[in-house]
Amino acid sequence: TQLLEQSPQFLSIQEGENLTVYCNSSSVFSSLQWYRQEPGEGPVLLVTVVTGGEVKKLKRLTFQFGDARKDSSLHITAAQPGDTGLYLCAGESNQAGTALIFGKGTTLSVSS
Amino acid sequence: DAGVIQSPRHEVTEMGQEVTLRCKPISGHNSLFWYRQTMMRGLELLIYFNNNVPIDDSGMPEDRFSAKMPNASFSTLKIQPSEPRDSAVYFCASSFGQMGNQPQHFGDGTRLSIL
Repeated sequence: TQLLEQSPQFLSIQEGENLTVYCNSSSVFSSLQWYRQEPGEGPVLLVTVVTGGEVKKLKRLTFQFGDARKDSSLHITAAQPGDTGLYLCAGESNQAGTALIFGKGTTLSVSS
Repeated sequence: DAGVIQSPRHEVTEMGQEVTLRCKPISGHNSLFWYRQTMMRGLELLIYFNNNVPIDDSGMPEDRFSAKMPNASFSTLKIQPSEPRDSAVYFCASSFGQMGNQPQHFGDGTRLSIL
């Protein structure tokens, strides 16, 4: 069974700080997606990374896919209160007919 | 464009009652997913459909849970009889593609409380 472990589980920081959250597995994934979920809403897709070593930037957010396609990281520069939410990673399995595999997420709280 | 629409947004009922959750996917999407989210277990896939056919229902907890997709624009998740441990937020999501691994668009969920 393929699993995605996310760390840390909870993170509370001050506005302006930098942070990195991680998504790790012992399995290889064809691609990996990152979602953000705000209270009372469903997850919303932020980015998809496909190639090992790939780096994608979305304003202050930088996403990296590990060279071996087993792990990924999300780095936020100068965090803002609007970044508060649950960050979920989801992996595309190599097995045909299987749905995305979601990690349990990192809950981020940014206070002003 | 309208996103995934779920109803009701909140449901409070007593144990033993039948609960029906509804979902309208994004028009043109051919994969539909039902998830359950709790603090303890995170986001769990219950079942997913492709072209209205159930592909993987291994996440359905037990026989009390059933899901149907009678057409491309509507799906239901039913719990009968409901139990307090079923209390959670239930999400429906849809995507386009043959595989179940394309980016998913989620509804805003149904918060279910079983007393």
